[in-house]
Amino acid sequence: DARVTQTPRHKVTEMGQEVTMRCQPILGHNTVFWYRQTMMQGLELLAYFRNRAPLDDSGMPKDRFSAEMPDATLATLKIQPSEPRDSAVYFCASGLATSGRCYFGPGTRLTVL
Amino acid sequence: AQSVAQPEDQVNVAEGNPLTVKCTYSVSGNPYLFWYVQYPNRGLQFLLKYITGDNLVKGSYGFEAEFNKSQTSFHLKKPSALVSDSALYFCAPLWGKLIFGQGTELSVKP
Repeated sequence: DARVTQTPRHKVTEMGQEVTMRCQPILGHNTVFWYRQTMMQGLELLAYFRNRAPLDDSGMPKDRFSAEMPDATLATLKIQPSEPRDSAVYFCASGLATSGRCYFGPGTRLTVL
Repeated sequence: AQSVAQPEDQVNVAEGNPLTVKCTYSVSGNPYLFWYVQYPNRGLQFLLKYITGDNLVKGSYGFEAEFNKSQTSFHLKKPSALVSDSALYFCAPLWGKLIFGQGTELSVKP
């Protein structure tokens, strides 16, 4: 079974530190999403890519967040500097634009102290 | 503006009873419509989707959803609930990107 993988699964860091989360989409998928989940805000779309090109990152705080796809097998989400309000579960998902269906990774649980 | 609403934060049903989880959306055009389920400490899993055609869509685990264009609704249903159906359910219209509702927590008691 092909799966989306995310690393790390858990991350605890201190305020001000840089955090990098990685995602390996399912091979052949041309769309990659980054979502953030919190109790208060629910699931928020941070950014998404199609064929490695960023299509929409309007949900992402630009001053501290950045998302990239260095190649088709890797998507990264970086927070610099991190703040306690960034504590959340970050999900990566991939899919094919033609079907719309997304396959979610297990998430990275980030805690910023 | 495009939006999706799940009016109930929580739905409680007894095992064996039918269940409905509601979803309405606001959009121009004809979006694809999805339901996803999230079990504790897991990522979301696809349940079903509507693109076009028959208004009743069947999906995984015995779930189905009814599309109603005039009411812009896409309610999730199951004829007989199981305790193992207890989870968080998300409705998501697709407008180029999946926009998720706030989620409805389904609790099925024995």
